Amino acid sequence: GAGVSQTPSNKVTEKGKYVELRCDPISGHTALYWYRQSLGQGPEFLIYFQGTGAADDSGLPNDRFFAVRPEGSVSTLKIQRTERGDSAVYLCASSLIDLAGQGLSGANVLTFGAGSRLTVL
Amino acid sequence: GQNIDQPTEMTATEGAIVQINCTYQTSGFNGLFWYQQHAGEAPTFLSYNVLDGLEEKGRFSSFLSRSKGYSYLLLKELQMKDSASYLCALDYKLSFGAGTTVTVRA
Repeated sequence: GAGVSQTPSNKVTEKGKYVELRCDPISGHTALYWYRQSLGQGPEFLIYFQGTGAADDSGLPNDRFFAVRPEGSVSTLKIQRTERGDSAVYLCASSLIDLAGQGLSGANVLTFGAGSRLTVL
Repeated sequence: GQNIDQPTEMTATEGAIVQINCTYQTSGFNGLFWYQQHAGEAPTFLSYNVLDGLEEKGRFSSFLSRSKGYSYLLLKELQMKDSASYLCALDYKLSFGAGTTVTVRA
């Protein structure tokens, strides 16, 4: 597509519920990233994919968080047993290529989606 | 690990110049980004520095000193629409600073 699309734009859920957030990256972008942003903070890295595989998932806070990208395009971030502290805006971004983080000529320029605002009551 | 520091807030007058500093410590370095984020919106790319020196792009310029772990973003001829958060980010490990909120006053 023309840009990075994220759905839903807003999600309100109850503590303990399961949530899925979807990201549709720019067509042809091989790298996809998930970030979490709380009010007044910068984006916090969660995970990134190169193709179908998770190249770096070191930012996932615990095992309640999981992400998949089965066909190398759309990705889903899954949160189990949600907690109030999970409330944040979840940002997805994609980039044209990722040479193991080498940032060749600005190739790691990230294009962000508008985000999914998650509220856990 | 990575540590990125930038001021929390800055205020300037329309038409003026503002310089946003960013200092960082990192175990690896590939390049440094600056992103702009308006309230309630996604970050958008502004600039990227790999080598030391100044990169100029219209009203915005970004400077990098790798030996000092230091960068700045210079915003010239400020306009009201420049009121936003400015995020310093490292290409290595894709880490972002907390952002500097710039408020432009008439």
